Amino acid sequence: DVVMTQSPLSLPVTPGQPASISCRSSQSLVHSDGNTYLSWFQQRPGQSPRRLFYRVSTRDSGVPDRFSGSGSGTDFTLKVSRVEAEDVGLYYCMQGTHWPPTFGQGTKVEIK
Amino acid sequence: EVQLVESGGGWVQPGGSLRLSCVASGFTFSSNWMSWIRQAPGKGLEWVANIKQSGSEKYYVDSVKGRFTISRDNAKNSLYLQMNSLRAEDTAVYYCARGKSGYDMWGQGTMVTVSS
Repeated sequence: DVVMTQSPLSLPVTPGQPASISCRSSQSLVHSDGNTYLSWFQQRPGQSPRRLFYRVSTRDSGVPDRFSGSGSGTDFTLKVSRVEAEDVGLYYCMQGTHWPPTFGQGTKVEIK
Repeated sequence: EVQLVESGGGWVQPGGSLRLSCVASGFTFSSNWMSWIRQAPGKGLEWVANIKQSGSEKYYVDSVKGRFTISRDNAKNSLYLQMNSLRAEDTAVYYCARGKSGYDMWGQGTMVTVSS
């Protein structure tokens, strides 16, 4: 199975400051169809996960544009340009290129 | 409203069985792959199983093969997960989600506790 490794696992942030989460895969996530099936999910405390991005950088409806997704091959990044209090929670990357789908361990974002 | 609503979770002894249900509304259920994903207490997310639109293809994570069965009833907009021979390590919140591996919609989850 493809191993997804996130860093850091804990990210204290100051409101208004930027934040970045790294996600690395044990194999290239470029599918034979040319697409890269890497998604990011946000899970606020006590809530279900919510997808933020798919295919690396395509933002889901309703996701603030202060969030951005980037990367290629095996290295991917989720960035928040200016963290707000509502961004607290767990963030997961997930690959859907190889079977079975696998998630990263999660990164806990908290306010300093 | 577009939503997924799970039910059927609860407490069961090791070796027991449970059947989870997920009712979809607000979208064309029969046009979508559907999946079950679980989250053990304090842990991360794990894909469990998924099923093609027609039900003709089903896939499972190795740890549940032979014990869990995913199914669907498109006429009832419903997804199911029959869980047999349950183990303590199956304790988790079980989410149904829309999609094969993209999961753009999630239910609120239903808790399954396996304990003696």
